[in-house]
Amino acid sequence: KAGVTQTPRYLIKTRGQQVTLSCSPISGHRSVSWYQQTPGQGLQFLFEYFSETQRNKGNFPGRFSGRQFSNSRSEMNVSTLELGDSALYLCASSLLRLKMNTEAFFGQGTRLTVV
Amino acid sequence: DAKTTQPNSMESNEEEPVHLPCNHSTISGTDYIHWYRQLPSQGPEYVIHGLTSNVNNRMASLAIAEDRKSSTLILHRATLRDAAVYYCILRDMNRDDKIIFGKGTRLHILP
Repeated sequence: KAGVTQTPRYLIKTRGQQVTLSCSPISGHRSVSWYQQTPGQGLQFLFEYFSETQRNKGNFPGRFSGRQFSNSRSEMNVSTLELGDSALYLCASSLLRLKMNTEAFFGQGTRLTVV
Repeated sequence: DAKTTQPNSMESNEEEPVHLPCNHSTISGTDYIHWYRQLPSQGPEYVIHGLTSNVNNRMASLAIAEDRKSSTLILHRATLRDAAVYYCILRDMNRDDKIIFGKGTRLHILP
């Protein structure tokens, strides 16, 4: 079956702009979680969506938001971009909620560069 | 959250076994030990997880110390494709609704 698909793969934006990233989970998976990966901070949890509801949120400012649609596809939005938002953004899908201790399947990520 | 400690990097020769250690001295009774790895230019990939007993799957084996304060991921016969960052992660089955990654161990495979 198809894996987790993230689009676009690469993105260049200017400071102050906003960006929307998309994640299509594995068919049948209902949980989508998002992570930011930078050389300095490593992989950090952003939030998890399950059944179109945000279930948990990491320690990120309100400029980072997301949503999930009825088909489980998820989008992540970052407003008023800062240079420090340059990172690899990864999404992961799992069959059940993360706290059910299921395996998470990650996409290849979207590389965002803010200039 | 209980923390894990891993060496920053390790080297191994191709076609030899690799033992990747992880210390988790503050592990609680409900923490599962998970391993993920991240190949270059890829997202993380689940490898294996366990609670108390040693576990085997097609990718690797997980050896868990009797007191659960440490564990070892074993790759039985390393290939160049196994060069990656390996993350040892503790997840509480009762409450952890996120995956907390540490710095991991960067594994280099020498041909």
